[in-house]
Amino acid sequence: NAGVTQTPKFQVLKTGQSMTLQCAQDMNHEYMSWYRQDPGMGLRLIHYSVGAGITDQGEVPNGYNVSRSTTEDFPLRLLSAAPSQTSVYFCASSSTAGVLAKNIQYFGAGTRLSVL
Amino acid sequence: DQQVKQNSPSLSVQEGRISILNCDYTNSMFDYFLWYKKYPAEGPTFLISISSIKDKNEDGRFTVFLNKSAKHLSLHIVPSQPGDSAVYFCAASVGDYKLSFGAGTTVTVRA
Repeated sequence: NAGVTQTPKFQVLKTGQSMTLQCAQDMNHEYMSWYRQDPGMGLRLIHYSVGAGITDQGEVPNGYNVSRSTTEDFPLRLLSAAPSQTSVYFCASSSTAGVLAKNIQYFGAGTRLSVL
Repeated sequence: DQQVKQNSPSLSVQEGRISILNCDYTNSMFDYFLWYKKYPAEGPTFLISISSIKDKNEDGRFTVFLNKSAKHLSLHIVPSQPGDSAVYFCAASVGDYKLSFGAGTTVTVRA
């Protein structure tokens, strides 16, 4: 019962470095999304995808890129890391079958990223 | 500007008593509301939800109340148990997958 798997769990970057946060789900969910969690801010939507080949921006997309080549995978790329991107990142997925299913998102365990 | 607000960052309650968590929202277009629970080093997990056509939804020890006129919802946990100690997030959507989350309330259940 893997669900949503995120790698790595922890990462330290230097300013200007690039990296990709990996996310994979095995539930055949069409909808996938990336959130960041910062103290006092809750979870904020970065990018989302309603299916393979379709992505769109969320609330805080600047500095991040995504692609969705398969149903299972939804990687998040930081092209040039900045200290403001220090955060905990969560990937989530949900089914598209009905209003309730769409909104019940299954989350990975998170990636804790520090940018120095 | 945050559309979903949880104004109490923390709540401490004795085991066996009621925990009441509150959430306010500003977007009148929200039609679906959810509560998620999060333990340290884990992702949030879905707890309970309510649609805008209802004013109450109950699931075991958890009940969510929705007051649309006040744009307010609350989560009641009765009775509170030590395993309920976690961060609780309120979330809302306009039915299009994208969830807006509150900042969370940390609940501590004292033995």
